[in-house]
Amino acid sequence: IAGITQAPTSQILAAGRRMTLRCTQDMRHNAMYWYRQDLGLGLRLIHYSNTAGTTGKGEVPDGYSVSRANTDDFPLTLASAVPSQTSVYFCASSPDLGETQYFGPGTRLLVL
Amino acid sequence: GNSVTQMEGPVTLSEEAFLTINCTYTATGYPSLFWYVQYPGEGLQLLLKATKADDKGSNKGFEATYRKETTSFHLEKGSVQVSDSAVYFCALSDSRGGFKTIFGAGTRLFVKA
Repeated sequence: IAGITQAPTSQILAAGRRMTLRCTQDMRHNAMYWYRQDLGLGLRLIHYSNTAGTTGKGEVPDGYSVSRANTDDFPLTLASAVPSQTSVYFCASSPDLGETQYFGPGTRLLVL
Repeated sequence: GNSVTQMEGPVTLSEEAFLTINCTYTATGYPSLFWYVQYPGEGLQLLLKATKADDKGSNKGFEATYRKETTSFHLEKGSVQVSDSAVYFCALSDSRGGFKTIFGAGTRLFVKA
């Protein structure tokens, strides 16, 4: 059982470029989340989805977009990357909102 | 609104020492409470949870009791090991907060041999 996977593992990106971070889960969880983790700031929720076809904004949504076309996939897109988006990005899923979350291994993104 | 406050780190202990990481919360409803652990280079994983007052969550020698009267969920372990070195996050989810999970800032633990 893979659980939840993210790709790429790491990426260096030029400012202004578009980038999509991929996230896939095989647990048939309804809810999925994207967080960013910056040094000393803990986790901040970017976007979430409580079921396929619906998404919601988290604490820091600006500059990011998501889609949830099916249960398994929840890609995060940076339309035009900026250096302040340098961070570690974690995708997570849970059976439903508010339940135990299962995290992917993270994507380390450096925007230059 | 809902919030979670946990003690600032880093916490440095010697092996076999007693560990306490304090966590207090503010919630409008009756939240579920969680402790997650993040080992170096990995994502978070659930350590333990409690869903109602006076419940005790336990796992891998760690314990935490849901104290509604003090709005606390302190993490304890009687004898830490070097392998417990990690960052620990307290979290809550509350129906009145739309079930969104609120994470604390994290507490880094270093255990020395």
